[in-house]
Amino acid sequence: DIQMTQSPSSLSASVGDRVTITCRASQGISSWLAWYQQKPGKAPKLLIFGASTLQSGVPSRFSGSGSGTDFTLTISSLQPEDFATYYCLQANSFPRTFGQGTKVEIK
Amino acid sequence: QVHLVESGGGVVQPGRSLRLSCAASGFTFSNFAMHWVRQAPGKGLEWVAVISYDEGNIYYADSVEGRFTISRDNSKNTLYLQMNSLRAEDTAVYFCARDVNDFGDSHFDYWGQGTLVTVSS
Repeated sequence: DIQMTQSPSSLSASVGDRVTITCRASQGISSWLAWYQQKPGKAPKLLIFGASTLQSGVPSRFSGSGSGTDFTLTISSLQPEDFATYYCLQANSFPRTFGQGTKVEIK
Repeated sequence: QVHLVESGGGVVQPGRSLRLSCAASGFTFSNFAMHWVRQAPGKGLEWVAVISYDEGNIYYADSVEGRFTISRDNSKNTLYLQMNSLRAEDTAVYFCARDVNDFGDSHFDYWGQGTLVTVSS
């Protein structure tokens, strides 16, 4: 199975900050990586797929990069509605595996 | 618009069974693979199973292989998860999610709101 190691597990940031979350795969997954945002009590929401393609309707302050084993989700200017937990998902092979999540909290 | 609604959750004793349903609307259900993903209380996301559009390809997580069965009824636009021999560690919110293609080998674009399964004596 492919292990997805996400870091940090949590971070505190202020509105307007640039935030970066990383995800590392235990083996190469090309660009088969997606990022999701989840708010408490809600379903996850797709932000990025194919490592760097922005899902329709997602604000352009979100961006993704990387390929192979190392990936990054960046929020260029954190907004109040962005405080949530973020997960990466590898879609290269079964079983699908998620990172353990990064909780973005208000500083 | 795409709408996925899970049902069937509840409290069940260890060793018993439960069947979850996911009713789909707003898209051609028979054209898409579907997944089940779960989230234990306060924990992260765990993929459970996938079924292709025609039931020709099915995969399970090791943690549920042999106990859970994923199926679908394209005539009813409904996805199912039959859960047998339930354990305390199966306690979670169960989400259904749509794959972006028919085989199930991509990411998930739409999710339901989830249904809570609690396994407890």
